[in-house]
Amino acid sequence: DQQVKQNSPSLSVQEGRISILNCDYTNSMFDYFLWYKKYPAEGPTFLISISSIKDKNEDGRFTVFLNKSAKHLSLHIVPSQPGDSAVYFCAAARGVGNDMRFGAGTRLTVKP
Amino acid sequence: DGGITQSPKYLFRKEGQNVTLSCEQNLNHDAMYWYRQDPGQGLRLIYYSQIVNDFQKGDIAEGYSVSREKKESFPLTVTSAQKNPTAFYLCASSIRGANEQFFGPGTRLTVL
Repeated sequence: DQQVKQNSPSLSVQEGRISILNCDYTNSMFDYFLWYKKYPAEGPTFLISISSIKDKNEDGRFTVFLNKSAKHLSLHIVPSQPGDSAVYFCAAARGVGNDMRFGAGTRLTVKP
Repeated sequence: DGGITQSPKYLFRKEGQNVTLSCEQNLNHDAMYWYRQDPGQGLRLIYYSQIVNDFQKGDIAEGYSVSREKKESFPLTVTSAQKNPTAFYLCASSIRGANEQFFGPGTRLTVL
């Protein structure tokens, strides 16, 4: 039962353009969402998060948008850089400090 | 230099043998987690512990066991009862009550 879904296994964009990674969830009890970035042979690293009381959170080139009615969130990277090439995981949790559910990940490739 | 260490990076075992994966953190985090990653799937929670001497099953605990005798250590034993043990195993930790988790580099277990 996949409660968090990332339907695009891969995405390729040109350097300098916008990357948009999408994530859908089914459990309406989720109220905290995170994005993690993972390079090969390394563990995921936390990138950005958003709680359900907001619909947007920005950190430098990274912005996460949350649409609660659609149970959808997206991560925008502007401008994309080759160093952004990695697998991005979306995660969701109920409340604070509870176990999270992860999506399957989207592999982003940014071409120079 | 604070962080999470997992050893070894690669592990090979014969079918029917139990194997223990190490996870140590010096971040002074109360909570620790074990995940399993398979190709095309997100991270799935095996076990988690919010405090020393206490732990809870995650979504796929069957065939695994853990202990939490020290705050900084959370070893995972993959028993012979686990039907498909070959996978990439990730350990994580967090401040108790926080959602952001810090991950180790992972251990790739191959059962021959």
